[in-house]
Amino acid sequence: DTAVSQTPKYLVTQMGNDKSIKCEQNLGHDTMYWYKQDSKKFLKIMFSYNNKELIINETVPNRFSPKSPDKAHLNLHINSLELGDSAVYFCASSLTGTSDEQYFGPGTRLTVT
Amino acid sequence: AQKVTQAQTEISVVEKEDVTLDCVYETRDTTYYLFWYKQPPSGELVFLIRRNSFDEQNEISGRYSWNFQKSTSSFNFTITASQVVDSAVYFCALSDLGGSQGNLIFGKGTKLSVKP
Repeated sequence: DTAVSQTPKYLVTQMGNDKSIKCEQNLGHDTMYWYKQDSKKFLKIMFSYNNKELIINETVPNRFSPKSPDKAHLNLHINSLELGDSAVYFCASSLTGTSDEQYFGPGTRLTVT
Repeated sequence: AQKVTQAQTEISVVEKEDVTLDCVYETRDTTYYLFWYKQPPSGELVFLIRRNSFDEQNEISGRYSWNFQKSTSSFNFTITASQVVDSAVYFCALSDLGGSQGNLIFGKGTKLSVKP
């Protein structure tokens, strides 16, 4: 049973399109996150959600919006995709939001052409 | 501000050698947590260890060991008798309750290549 899963694994799309990445965790964790890993492997937090409430919103473009239908899911919607959005996006979860270890999904490689 | 520095961008060793990956952190908080994650070529991120700022005891897990020294703000990771399967990018990360608000601040990673 996969603890944190993401779909799709690969996403190729054209500039200007809108796309979504889904994330689900079956660990019963309270907090979920989205990270972006750029081409140089640098990982940076984008969002975190605790019990369906956004608790951190880093300075990412408002074209990116997280949506959490329930505690086990945190989806990432991206509008008007740009070339610079190409990256690997990781979903993660932790038991609480307070410095617990985070468990990551397999990542979604987004390529914008 | 919170910061994690992994000065070694790439390290290459021959199998069975010992290798140490360095990690230096900065934080103003007295309570903080340090982590190591492994990212093998397949791409997933694997949690290795979490250490809180009040526990400076070194930890050993099989061939892996971690040396936490608050005096030098370092949390180094040593692999003993390295194996080809240890080839990966290793990330050190910091989390505190202040500036990072509990989120992970990652270093830029160290790519370890273990050659047979």
